[in-house]
Amino acid sequence: AQTVTQSQPEMSVQEAETVTLSCTYDTSENNYYLFWYKQPPSRQMILVIRQEAYKQQNATENRFSVNFQKAAKSFSLKISDSQLGDTAMYFCAFMDNNAGNMLTFGGGTRLMVKP
Amino acid sequence: DTGVSQDPRHKITKRGQNVTFRCDPISEHNRLYWYRQTLGQGPEFLTYFQNEAQLEKSRLLSDRFSAERPKGSFSTLEIQRTEQGDSAMYLCASSRGTGNTEAFFGQGTRLTVV
Repeated sequence: AQTVTQSQPEMSVQEAETVTLSCTYDTSENNYYLFWYKQPPSRQMILVIRQEAYKQQNATENRFSVNFQKAAKSFSLKISDSQLGDTAMYFCAFMDNNAGNMLTFGGGTRLMVKP
Repeated sequence: DTGVSQDPRHKITKRGQNVTFRCDPISEHNRLYWYRQTLGQGPEFLTYFQNEAQLEKSRLLSDRFSAERPKGSFSTLEIQRTEQGDSAMYLCASSRGTGNTEAFFGQGTRLTVV
């Protein structure tokens, strides 16, 4: 079974600055995906960024980028130029590509962006 | 239809009552998932459907829980004889399936058992 661990329950960052959220996972699989999802207060979860395990290049989506260290089973999210709208819960998630595309989530990190 | 919709958004019920939630996925998505999220935690997988077939059930899904997806369209999740420990947010998600990994989530149904 896979496990996903987010060691930072809460973080805060000043508007326009950069913040990094940590995630580690444990799996014996080789064919998998990793995700960061954002859950704003009282709103639905949306996908922020996705990484295929077989790709060495780190994924980037505008202000969001990841640092994927496969050997270390680490998958951190960097948010650059933080905006007030980035305030949300952030969940790291694992998906075994051979097991029905179900997601295993970490416990989440609550990010507060301060003006 | 531009997203996954869930109904109701909130449900308060007395312990021992039965409740049923509905999820309408994005229309062209053949996979549908149910997750449960307790306060301050990440979502936990409950079950998923490929079209109308229920292909996987978590051990979290006790005998009091049943899910259906007739005709491969909307899905219902029923909880019988609710307990206080069932209080949680129940999330539905859908995806296109194999080869397309992005799951789209609904806003969830928040269940409170009193």
